[in-house]
Amino acid sequence: DAGVIQSPRHEVTEMGQEVTLRCKPISGHNSLFWYRQTMMRGLELLIYFNNNVPIDDSGMPEDRFSAKMPNASFSTLKIQPSEPRDSAVYFCASSWTSGSEQYFGPGTRLTVT
Amino acid sequence: GQQLNQSPQSMFIQEGEDVSMNCTSSSIFNTWLWYKQDPGEGPVLLIALYKAGELTSNGRLTAQFGITRKDSFLNISASIPSDVGIYFCAGLPSGNTPLVFGKGTRLSVIA
Repeated sequence: DAGVIQSPRHEVTEMGQEVTLRCKPISGHNSLFWYRQTMMRGLELLIYFNNNVPIDDSGMPEDRFSAKMPNASFSTLKIQPSEPRDSAVYFCASSWTSGSEQYFGPGTRLTVT
Repeated sequence: GQQLNQSPQSMFIQEGEDVSMNCTSSSIFNTWLWYKQDPGEGPVLLIALYKAGELTSNGRLTAQFGITRKDSFLNISASIPSDVGIYFCAGLPSGNTPLVFGKGTRLSVIA
């Protein structure tokens, strides 16, 4: 069975550019989560969706960050404009419901120069 | 918000040694989970615990759901080099709210 799929695996971009990270959750899962991981702050929940609807975006750091889930099998996390401090590994995870075990994708390592 | 205190932050052990790590909270959780993150990968679910007092094993891993529902531990017996990674505890509060994660225990195994 396919797990959570994320693309790209690595992204290097210059400050000021727009970055779009993509996620395909496990088929049948109704909840999707976006996390950011850094050495300093650990694993931070940015936003999560239930049935394609954003439920809690209180972890989104700034207005430069936005996330969408146009259908049950696809979500994007966009950073516009990107800044060097956005450099981190971004994970997508999915679960049957928001209150059940989550399964993580392999992550996207973002470097903003 | 709810927080999990995971300890130790890091461990350096000899191959063959046993390892123990734990998570505590001031809040009650209905489910405890343990994840492992290999370098360059996403966290992978190792063990899930659903009932207070439950003791579950998965190969060399053993985890327990504390009787007070406020803590959990993970033991790894006879460590091997591939046990290297970051181990996260996570708790599910009541209702339909998402997982709360600990800050992780970074394990290094010296051959």
